[in-house]
Amino acid sequence: RKEVEQDPGPFNVPEGATVAFNCTYSNSASQSFFWYRQDCRKEPKLLMSVYSSGNEDGRFTAQLNRASQYISLLIRDSKLSDSATYLCVVKGSGGSYIPTFGRGTSLIVHP
Amino acid sequence: NAGVTQTPKFRILKIGQSMTLQCTQDMNHNYMYWYRQDPGMGLKLIYYSVGAGITDKGEVPNGYNVSRSTTEDFPLRLELAAPSQTSVYFCASNSGGNTGELFFGEGSRLTVL
Repeated sequence: RKEVEQDPGPFNVPEGATVAFNCTYSNSASQSFFWYRQDCRKEPKLLMSVYSSGNEDGRFTAQLNRASQYISLLIRDSKLSDSATYLCVVKGSGGSYIPTFGRGTSLIVHP
Repeated sequence: NAGVTQTPKFRILKIGQSMTLQCTQDMNHNYMYWYRQDPGMGLKLIYYSVGAGITDKGEVPNGYNVSRSTTEDFPLRLELAAPSQTSVYFCASNSGGNTGELFFGEGSRLTVL
């Protein structure tokens, strides 16, 4: 089993839709979790950290489920500009601070 | 504030040639990383460093070497380039720990023919 797994998609949704992505991780000792956004042919950039209690940033909501070892990202009222690849990142496995990336989930928002 | 700077942005190599990808950061970060990203795939860790003079292998180190003589610089050396090394290479840095955001360079697109 891969350390961090994501459905690569693509998720193809109309503007205004709500879409959710999940990411599962294999190491129960993992301590911190993030969502990064990567636009085509660009470098990844931090979208948001994921906190144990869940957190929200505008239209974006991230949640952590430690019991089932997954994190989720919910995007409400999708915009064309949300089209990108969303990378799940996990840190802190086995005392290591080295980030491990999932392969990313592609989102395409169409008019 | 420049952040993480990578050079070159594009390069074409012939099989067997060698080259160095340069990476420098001006944020005084202790941790630096080299990742490669193949089309449609996630980032795979090649090498990382937790401070000047300290380097360690990541998931896919074969065919690469690194050095970390200063906090700012973390060059990646490709010896005897092979077509399998055609990829986009990203350098990144952070302050370490569990909460440090990763800052990436713009990437270096390498083609080996």
